[in-house]
Order: sequence, then structure tokens, then C-alpha cells
Amino acid sequence: AQTVTQSQPEMSVQEAETVTLSCTYDTSENNYYLFWYKQPPSRQMILVIRQEAYKQQNATENRFSVNFQKAAKSFSLKISDSQLGDTAMYFCAFIRDSGTYKYIFGTGTRLKVLA
Amino acid sequence: EPEVTQTPSHQVTQMGQEVILRCVPISNHLYFYWYRQILGQKVEFLVSFYNNEISEKSEIFDDQFSVERPDGSNFTLKIRSTKLEDSAMYFCASSESSGSADTQYFGPGTRLTVL
Repeated sequence: AQTVTQSQPEMSVQEAETVTLSCTYDTSENNYYLFWYKQPPSRQMILVIRQEAYKQQNATENRFSVNFQKAAKSFSLKISDSQLGDTAMYFCAFIRDSGTYKYIFGTGTRLKVLA
Repeated sequence: EPEVTQTPSHQVTQMGQEVILRCVPISNHLYFYWYRQILGQKVEFLVSFYNNEISEKSEIFDDQFSVERPDGSNFTLKIRSTKLEDSAMYFCASSESSGSADTQYFGPGTRLTVL
């Protein structure tokens, strides 16, 4: 069975600084997808970034980038130049690449950006 | 930008009562999902739905739960006889096509409180 672990329940960062959120996962699959979703207070989860396991290159989306280490089963999210609007709950999610529609989520990291 | 919407945002019910949670997926999406998050725990997959059929369900999704697409726009989750442990945030999601590679878009959630 696949599991996703986010070991940092809460983090804070000063505005304009860089922060890294950790995510590790466990799977025996070789092909899968990983996601970071952001959930602002009282708002829906929105996709921040996704990574295909077969791609070695780390995904980047503006100020958001990942460090995907397949052998270590690690998928961390780096937020550069943090902004107040980045304050949210961040969820790491995994889905294997065959025969399922089921995302497996971590417990989330609550990030607060301080002015 | 199109969004998944859910109503109500908060539902309070008595144990043993039936509840129906409503979702309007993104209009050109064909695959629909329900997830739930008990307070302080992980977001968990409940069910996926395509072409008026359940395509996958978790062990949580027992006979007390049912899903339906009653018309061309709504997607509902019914809990027949609510229990205290059904208290959770329920998220609806949709995706354009099948397959693990397709991103699921989430609604803002319905907080269900069972008294």
C-alpha cells in the first residue's frame, strides 16, 4: 500500500524568504504522479505543481519548485520569495499510474507567511 | 476560471438522519470524486464515478453511502443514516478525463457535523 508522509505539521517563513516543505512517500510502483496542493483558509484545494515520476527534471512553476528524489522517495516543495498569499495548508499527494483514480494524501503542512 | 462548487458549506445533522451533499463539477469534466477529511487526519478517497457508475471505491464507502448524478450538472453524496464518526469535511473533485495523469480539481468542501 502506498503512504504519504508530511513530517512538518506547521511552518512559518518571513515574507520574501524561501521555505521548503517536506514530503516522503512509500510505494513499490515505478510509474506514478506526485502533486502539491494548496488550500488557503476556507477555500478549495488548488494544484500548485505536479511531477511525473518518469521525468528526472524537477518541475517548476514560477516561485514554486520541487526537489524530486525518486530513489529516496522524497518530494519537497520549495517556495521562493514567499508572499502573504502563500499562507495556506499544503498537501502532498500521490497517485499510481495504473488502474486507479485515488489520490493518496499526506496530513498537510500549515504554512504561515509573516509580514 | 471554472471551479468546482459545493453546497452547503456547513451541514449540521442529528445522528441517524440522512444527508445529501451537493457538488457541481466543472462543466466539461467527466470523472467525479468524493474525498473526506476527518479533523486532524488525512484527506481520504471515498469514491470515483464515471458514466453513471462507480468506477472505484474505498473501504470507507460502505452501504451507508451512495452517489448519484441526478442531472447534467450536479453530483451528490448521500449518507443514509449518519453516525458521529461521519463528521468530517467532504470534498468533491472532478477531472476532464480518465487516468492518473489527469489533474483532479477540488471544491471548497462541505463541513458535516453529526450531533
